Parts: sequence; C-alpha cells; structure tokens
Amino acid sequence: AQTVTQSQPEMSVQEAETVTLSCTYDTSESDYYLFWYKQPPSRQMILVIRQEAYKQQNATENRFSVNFQKAAKSFSLKISDSQLGDAAMYFCAYRRDLQGAQKLVFGQGTRLTINP
Amino acid sequence: EAGVTQFPSHSVIEKGQTVTLRCDPISGHDNLYWYRRVMGKEIKFLLHFVKESKQDESGMPNNRFLAERTGGTYSTLKVQPAELEDSGVYFCASSRTWNTEAFFGQGTRLTVV
Repeated sequence: AQTVTQSQPEMSVQEAETVTLSCTYDTSESDYYLFWYKQPPSRQMILVIRQEAYKQQNATENRFSVNFQKAAKSFSLKISDSQLGDAAMYFCAYRRDLQGAQKLVFGQGTRLTINP
Repeated sequence: EAGVTQFPSHSVIEKGQTVTLRCDPISGHDNLYWYRRVMGKEIKFLLHFVKESKQDESGMPNNRFLAERTGGTYSTLKVQPAELEDSGVYFCASSRTWNTEAFFGQGTRLTVV
C-alpha cells in the first residue's frame, strides 16, 4: 500500500521569507502523481501544485515550487516570498496513474504559520 | 461555476443517532469522492463514485456507513448508528474525468457525543 509522510506537524516563517515543507512517500508503482494541497482556515482545500512522476523537471507555480527526488521518494514544497495568505494546512498527496484507482493518499498535514 | 458544496457544515449528534451528509459536486463532474479526517490525522479515502456507480469503496470503515449517488448527481453519506470514533471532518471532492483535478468542498465537521 502507498503511504505519504509529512514529518513536520507545524512550521512557521517570517513574512517575505522562504519556507520548505517536507514530504516523503512510499510506493512500488512507477507511474503516479504527487500533489500539494492547501486548506486555509474554514475554507476549501485547493490544489497548489502537481507533479507527474515521469517528468524530471520540478513543477513550479509562481512562488510555489517542488523538489521532486524520485529515487529518494521525496517531494518537498518550497514557498518563496511568504505572504500572510499562505497561512494554512498543507497536505501532500499521492495518486496512482491508473483509471479506477485514482484515490488520493494524503499525509498528515503541516500547519504553516506566517509571522508578520 | 459553483464549486463543490457540502451540507451541513457542522453537525453534532448523540451516539446511536443517524446523520446524513450531503455533497453537491461541480456540474458535469462524473467522479465523486468521499474522504474523512479523524482527530487531526491524515485524510483518508472512503469511496469513489463514477456517475451513480461505486467504483471503489475500499475505504468505507464498516457497514454503519452507506453512500449513495442517485442519478449520478449529488451524493449522500449516511452514518447509522453513529459512534464516537466517527467524529471528524468529512470531505467531498469531484473531478470531471479520472485524471483531471479533483475539487474539494469545505467539509462537514461531524461531532458524535
């Protein structure tokens, strides 16, 4: 079975600085996707960034980028120039690239606080 | 375009009672998923509908949980009878196809006392 581990229950960062959230996963599959989701307080969970396992290039979305190390099964999220609106729970998730088996497997979450 | 909507946002019930959670997916999304986060732990998959059919219900904890999606539109998740360990946040998500982005609702916070 696939598992996802986020070893940092809480993180904090000063506004405008950079923070990295860690995520490791375990799978025997070769084709899969990895995601970072963000859930602000009392709001819907939204997709931040997505990485296809077959792509060597790390995904980036504006201030958000990932460091995908397939061999090490590591998928960290870097947030640059942190803003107050980045404060949220962040969940790392895995999904097989297989129709009918596309459920998401989540980590435990990391609560990110932005200090003004 | 309306997002995924869940009702109610909060529910407090006594042990042994019945509760029904509802999820309205984004219009046109054939895939609907239920997830649950219990006591600050990881979010866990419950089941997956494709239209009105259950594609994968491997995450359903026991037979006290019943999910339906009549007509392939909205879905309900009934817990009967509720137990203390059922407390948590129940999330619904939908996606247009199997490999497109899943959009989540705000969740229903269920508290069983």
